[in-house]
Amino acid sequence: ILNVEQSPQSLHVQEGDSTNFTCSFPSSNFYALHWYRWETAKSPEALFVMTLNGDEKKKGRISATLNTKEGYSYLYIKGSQPEDSATYLCASYNAGGTSYGKLTFGQGTILTVHP
Amino acid sequence: EPEVTQTPSHQVTQMGQEVILRCVPISNHLYFYWYRQILGQKVEFLVSFYNNEISEKSEIFDDQFSVERPDGSNFTLKIRSTKLEDSAMYFCASSEVVRGQAFFGQGTRLTVV
Repeated sequence: ILNVEQSPQSLHVQEGDSTNFTCSFPSSNFYALHWYRWETAKSPEALFVMTLNGDEKKKGRISATLNTKEGYSYLYIKGSQPEDSATYLCASYNAGGTSYGKLTFGQGTILTVHP
Repeated sequence: EPEVTQTPSHQVTQMGQEVILRCVPISNHLYFYWYRQILGQKVEFLVSFYNNEISEKSEIFDDQFSVERPDGSNFTLKIRSTKLEDSAMYFCASSEVVRGQAFFGQGTRLTVV
C-alpha cells in the first residue's frame, strides 16, 4: 500500500512571509509527483508535474523541488498573499503492475495567509 | 481553457437509493477517473476507465458502484444502493495520456441521510 504524507497539516502565515511544505512519497517504482492547489468549491488546480530527480519547477511565486531517491518534494511560496490561501495537495503516480494512472494523494496542507 | 465539469454540485439522497453522478471530461482526453474524499480524510482513488472499460479499480469500488460512458461526452458514476458511509465529495478527472496530468472537476458533494 502506497503512503503519501504531507506536512504540516496546516499553516498560518502573514502576508509577505515565505513558506514551504513537504510531501513524502514511496521512492520505489516512482513515476511522477503532482502538486495541486485546491480552493473550496473549486476544482483542484494543477500546479506542477515532476518526474526527474532534481527537478525544480516554478510558476510565479510558487516553486517545487523533487528528490526521487529519498522520496520527498518541497513546495515553496515566496512572499505569500491572501489569495494563496488554499489546500495544497501532492499526489504520486507509482508505476508497476497493472496500474493505469492511479494517483495516491497526501492529506494536504491547509495554508492560511493573513493580511 | 478546457475544463472537467460535474453535475450536480450537491446531492442529498436517502439511504438505499440509487444516485448517478455526472461528469463531462475534457473532449480530447482518453483516460477517465473517479476519486472521492470523505470529510477529514485523504482523496482516494475509486476507478479508472479507458477504451470503454474499467482499467483499474480500488477495493472501495465494489458491486454497488458502476461507471459508464453512455455517449461521446459524458462519464457517469452510479451508486446502486447508497449507504451513510458513501457520503463524500466525489471528483471526476480526465487525462490525455495514462499517468499524464489529470484535470479535476469541482466535485459533487453527496450526502446520504
